[in-house]
Amino acid sequence: GQQLNQSPQSMFIQEGEDVSMNCTSSSIFNTWLWYKQDPGEGPVLLIALYKAGELTSNGRLTAQFGITRKDSFLNISASIPSDVGIYFCAGRAPNNAGNMLTFGGGTRLMVKP
Amino acid sequence: DTEVTQTPKHLVMGMTNKKSLKCEQHMGHRAMYWYKQKAKKPPELMFVYSYEKLSINESVPSRFSPECPNSSLLNLHLHALQPEDSALYLCASSQDNDRAGKLFFGSGTQLSVL
Repeated sequence: GQQLNQSPQSMFIQEGEDVSMNCTSSSIFNTWLWYKQDPGEGPVLLIALYKAGELTSNGRLTAQFGITRKDSFLNISASIPSDVGIYFCAGRAPNNAGNMLTFGGGTRLMVKP
Repeated sequence: DTEVTQTPKHLVMGMTNKKSLKCEQHMGHRAMYWYKQKAKKPPELMFVYSYEKLSINESVPSRFSPECPNSSLLNLHLHALQPEDSALYLCASSQDNDRAGKLFFGSGTQLSVL
């Protein structure tokens, strides 16, 4: 089945720094979603992407749907302590019954004040 | 309003107990999902309901029994669980199960099986 490789697995950065993480796949997707999860809570949807090449922003967050449809990245600018959490990418493949999503392994972000 | 409400927030149960997890959404979504998430891992799909009918069962053991009483409610009945079933159980919903993407998750039920 499809797999999503998400990197890096973890990042420890200084407050104010920019952050970049990405997901790659061996097969194409027609939707990419980025979620953030705090400990003991459910994932919260940050950005949804539907077209190859699409670049979408949500405040300090920017995500892009790769041209090849096999990758996506998420950037966070000027990080703040509340950005701490686990970020998951998720993709939906074409002809995917039941709106099933494939999740990446997650990127754990830690921000030092 | 993008809220999916799950109860209880925490649950501790013995291996002989019967308990139920509850999920509710009032966004008019017609697809609802149960996911299981172990610590530091991504969510794993268990069940999908579409228009109140079970459409996907990801080979989940029968000790987990889903139920969709109406379009707003989703239950997960638990019986004779094992300690390895301890996890965060997440409910999610989407507008329908044929449209691209947006799944909205609840806060989850943290389940411990003793």
